[in-house]
Amino acid sequence: QKEVEQNSGPLSVPEGAIASLNCTYSDRGSQSFFWYRQYSGKSPELIMFIYSNGDKEDGRFTAQLNKASQYVSLLIRDSQPSDSATYLCAVKYGNKLVFGAGTILRVKS
Amino acid sequence: DGGITQSPKYLFRKEGQNVTLSCEQNLNHDAMYWYRQDPGQGLRLIYYSQIVNDFQKGDIAEGYSVSREKKESFPLTVTSAQKNPTAFYLCASSTLAGELTDTQYFGPGTRLTVL
Repeated sequence: QKEVEQNSGPLSVPEGAIASLNCTYSDRGSQSFFWYRQYSGKSPELIMFIYSNGDKEDGRFTAQLNKASQYVSLLIRDSQPSDSATYLCAVKYGNKLVFGAGTILRVKS
Repeated sequence: DGGITQSPKYLFRKEGQNVTLSCEQNLNHDAMYWYRQDPGQGLRLIYYSQIVNDFQKGDIAEGYSVSREKKESFPLTVTSAQKNPTAFYLCASSTLAGELTDTQYFGPGTRLTVL
């Protein structure tokens, strides 16, 4: 059973702070890793993906991957109230994605 | 506009009925997927297809059926055998199933409620 674990939250941060979202996975054979944002009642939107160890930056977002420790994280700099959403971590195994249950982020102004 | 469309947005089903959810994409993607999302849970894979006239079961295929007669279309039928069908159903598509950077993009979803 391939598992993806996320803290359900909610994670509350003040506006302008850095939000740190974490995800662990069970299978060392995982190939690539995706972060999606999902607003309440809406479908997931891709934020970014990563497949090499280290950091990958895209605007205010940074994904971090540590395959030895089997975790991937997402940092959101200068958090805004519009970043309040559920963040889904997804791990690719072959042709399929396995999703975590998501972390609820609340950014307070 | 390129994208993935799902219809209807909301669907109500009576006990014992089969219902079909539509998913269409004009992104020229080869692979298409159906997921189910329950409150507070992640997405679970129902079925996926990498090529026309071929599809594979996902983790929770029981009580569901699909077809892939055209590259653009991947309808999902929720049969009366599905015991608890009330959920948010999401269709996704991607360009190259199995590639390292292959990315799935989602349609807007259909919310199914059993009365």
